[in-house]
Amino acid sequence: EPEVTQTPSHQVTQMGQEVILRCVPISNHLYFYWYRQILGQKVEFLVSFYNNEISEKSEIFDDQFSVERPDGSNFTLKIRSTKLEDSAMYFCATEEQGSEKLFFGSGTQLSVL
Amino acid sequence: DAKTTQPTSMDCAEGRAANLPCNHSTISGNEYVYWYRQIHSQGPQYIIHGLKNNETNEMASLIITEDRKSSTLILPHATLRDTAVYYCIVRAQGFSNSGYALNFGKGTSLLVTP
Repeated sequence: EPEVTQTPSHQVTQMGQEVILRCVPISNHLYFYWYRQILGQKVEFLVSFYNNEISEKSEIFDDQFSVERPDGSNFTLKIRSTKLEDSAMYFCATEEQGSEKLFFGSGTQLSVL
Repeated sequence: DAKTTQPTSMDCAEGRAANLPCNHSTISGNEYVYWYRQIHSQGPQYIIHGLKNNETNEMASLIITEDRKSSTLILPHATLRDTAVYYCIVRAQGFSNSGYALNFGKGTSLLVTP
């Protein structure tokens, strides 16, 4: 079965540093999402992306966050200046138009020290 | 999106049917009921979804009440690998140029015991 691939699986960074999390969507999927899950808490929606534009974003997705699909394949989440509270598992999800199902990657565990 | 209410936790014996309830009394006419699960901090996994008719696939069955205010996910023969957090989510449909976000609650933690 096709998979959403996320890299790296683990990322350790210093507070204030920029990080880029990468996602390779399933081929032909047109809708892309980022979610995060702080340890012990629920899965939280960050942003959805379609046709090279943000479709919807949550209050969590502030100016420190950005998304893009620079080369037509990878879908990236950038955190410009990481904070301790950004430590979480970040999940990418993609969706084929009309399928009504999100497929999630295995996540990137981000640790901010 | 309408909110859902699920029990915090449930147990089920291996080989028996697991019946996970969900209340969504404020569901709107264009909202579907989705079920996802998350096994030990892995990415959430799609199970099944429906609008008003009962649905069945290779993983589970979804029973939606006639008034659509509640539903039940049925795992017909639970195995140890079905131990996970199960999320009931209602989500509007109708893509134009935007995908509607799935909003996860706390879900039901299902423990399948030998």
